[in-house]
Amino acid sequence: GGIITQTPKFLIGQEGQKLTLKCQQNFNHDTMYWYRQDSGKGLRLIYYSITENDLQKGDLSEGYDASREKKSSFSLTVTSAQKNEMAVFLCASSITQTEVFFGKGTRLTVV
Amino acid sequence: GEKVEQHESTLSVREGDSAVINCTYTDTASSYFPWYKQEAGKSLHFVIDIRSNVDRKQSQRLIVLLDKKAKRFSLHITATQPEDSAIYFCAASLPGGYQNFYFGKGTSLTVIP
Repeated sequence: GGIITQTPKFLIGQEGQKLTLKCQQNFNHDTMYWYRQDSGKGLRLIYYSITENDLQKGDLSEGYDASREKKSSFSLTVTSAQKNEMAVFLCASSITQTEVFFGKGTRLTVV
Repeated sequence: GEKVEQHESTLSVREGDSAVINCTYTDTASSYFPWYKQEAGKSLHFVIDIRSNVDRKQSQRLIVLLDKKAKRFSLHITATQPEDSAIYFCAASLPGGYQNFYFGKGTSLTVIP
């Protein structure tokens, strides 16, 4: 079986700081996703990528950049962290219209 | 875009009873409906899915029903056990090669021993 590894597990940033979250998968999946999970709001898509060097904006892309330089990795950048922001960022991967596999998440706190 | 509404935010059932979680969606073109489970402190993992060409699917104690006319789908967990306690998310996606999954807000299920 494969695994999705997200780093770091916990990220504390300061207001206005640029922060980068990383994700690696060894499923050899083409499609990778970044979701944001807020308490009581479910999961919202930030970016996804259908292949290396492809980027597609999700509903929540404003304030974020993403990069897919290799098939196995997908990184997300918070361009300017917002004070008191707290959320869990979930990376995921899948092949077409099948089960999506999720990483364990990066928990972001902005002070 | 598609909107998925998950009707129950919390649900409590007694061990051995059935639990039902209901979701509705807005886009008639949606064709794939997976369910995910998130246990405390863990990430989401897939539990069951249904595609629009069928209206019922069962996997052991899990049953998914799809009513395309009403744009509604539901997860039935029969003979619940304490380890079924978790947050359950429904999702919908459009057909095509690469898709965005639209998730509901989650239902926190507690199974009381």
